[in-house]
Amino acid sequence: ETGVTQSPTHLIKTRGQQVTLRCSSQSGHNTVSWYQQALGQGPQFIFQYYREEENGRGNFPPRFSGLQFPNYSSELNVNALELDDSALYLCASSLGLRGSGANVLTFGAGSRLTVL
Amino acid sequence: QKEVEQDPGPLSVPEGAIVSLNCTYSNSAFQYFMWYRQYSRKGPELLMYTYSSGNKEDGRFTAQVDKSSKYISLFIRDSQPSDSATYLCAVPPSGGYNKLIFGAGTRLAVHP
Repeated sequence: ETGVTQSPTHLIKTRGQQVTLRCSSQSGHNTVSWYQQALGQGPQFIFQYYREEENGRGNFPPRFSGLQFPNYSSELNVNALELDDSALYLCASSLGLRGSGANVLTFGAGSRLTVL
Repeated sequence: QKEVEQDPGPLSVPEGAIVSLNCTYSNSAFQYFMWYRQYSRKGPELLMYTYSSGNKEDGRFTAQVDKSSKYISLFIRDSQPSDSATYLCAVPPSGGYNKLIFGAGTRLAVHP
């Protein structure tokens, strides 16, 4: 059983550029969630994808967008990068939208984005 | 007021100490309460979760929820250097188990 893998692990962009981050979900998981974790902060929910459609979004502007593919992998795209977008971006996969009890999220190690 | 508040620490303790990590939350509708552990350069991993009030024990770890005061705690007994990590409390809002609301995380260092 493989876990959640994310790429790239680190990247540096300049303000105004666009970035695409990729995530392969854990085997058997069909739901992907993305989180932003600023330095010294807890992760913040960006959005969730289920059956290739966005299902819930946190307080993030439309320049944050995503995709989910038939194999359940996912991409996070951020346009018009701002300095405050510098953060660790975490992908998490799970089975279904709601599980019994706590639907366990399996997180990847993240992609660290630095915007200069 | 943030929905989940957590003292970011850092907290430094000697090996073998009992560690108490705490969070408060604002919404009385929250039913599930989770603790995640995040090692440096890693993603968070679920440590424990509890439903409603009460205690839950797993080895050296005990999670406690007091819904009357909206207070959640994680106790670590006989702390080890391998417990050095950031501990994040998290709650899922109603109907959104994947849409977790995290506290800021408490950085714990256990020194030999």
